[in-house]
Amino acid sequence: EVQLLEAGGGLVQPGGSLRLSCAASGFTFSVHYMDWVRQAPGKGLEWVGRIRHRASSFTTEYAASVKNRFTISRDESKKSLFLQMDNLQTEDTAVYYCVRVLGGGPGDYWGQGTLVTVSS
Amino acid sequence: DIQMTQSPSSLSASVGDRVTITCRASQDIGTHLAWFQQKPGKAPESLIFTASTLRSGVSPKFSGGGSGTDFTLTIASLQPEDFATYYCQQYFDYPITFGGGTRLEIK
Repeated sequence: EVQLLEAGGGLVQPGGSLRLSCAASGFTFSVHYMDWVRQAPGKGLEWVGRIRHRASSFTTEYAASVKNRFTISRDESKKSLFLQMDNLQTEDTAVYYCVRVLGGGPGDYWGQGTLVTVSS
Repeated sequence: DIQMTQSPSSLSASVGDRVTITCRASQDIGTHLAWFQQKPGKAPESLIFTASTLRSGVSPKFSGGGSGTDFTLTIASLQPEDFATYYCQQYFDYPITFGGGTRLEIK
């Protein structure tokens, strides 16, 4: 059974940093691209970014709203995905989801999400 | 960026009804389109990819169609568990973008 378990959310002040993690199990992590998607309270879904697999040199893509502030990485040995978030702003408040990517296209499995609240 | 516009933004329907949600892309995306269902307080779940391919395990009462810029999600014979919010997503180009969502409510 595919499982994605996010952790690391919490309350942080504007300008602060937070690192989210996502533990993957039940599938061959190394062959999948992985995404982060977020959802602000009461709002729709917003794609944050993607990391490709080793065969594609772990290259990344980001939404303009987070580029140069957020960094996606992965650890194949731990089957884990990470989202380093720096210079957080109030508009970054959201539930952050870890998503397995099907082929090079859409997400197919989603974690349960972790809430990040940016507030003073 | 490719803009995805869903309509309607909300829809009231009755159990047993057949409903159709539309999604329009601001440029040609071929069939690089997916649909997701989200229930309150839960993570989204994948329904359809490549515009019309049903994900394994998803009920065949869900069907998707379209190509280019205009797409549809049809749900036949609505059941109580189908009342949720539905999102389309294009993955033709980066940044990947979602539609604003369609909230399907019980009439």
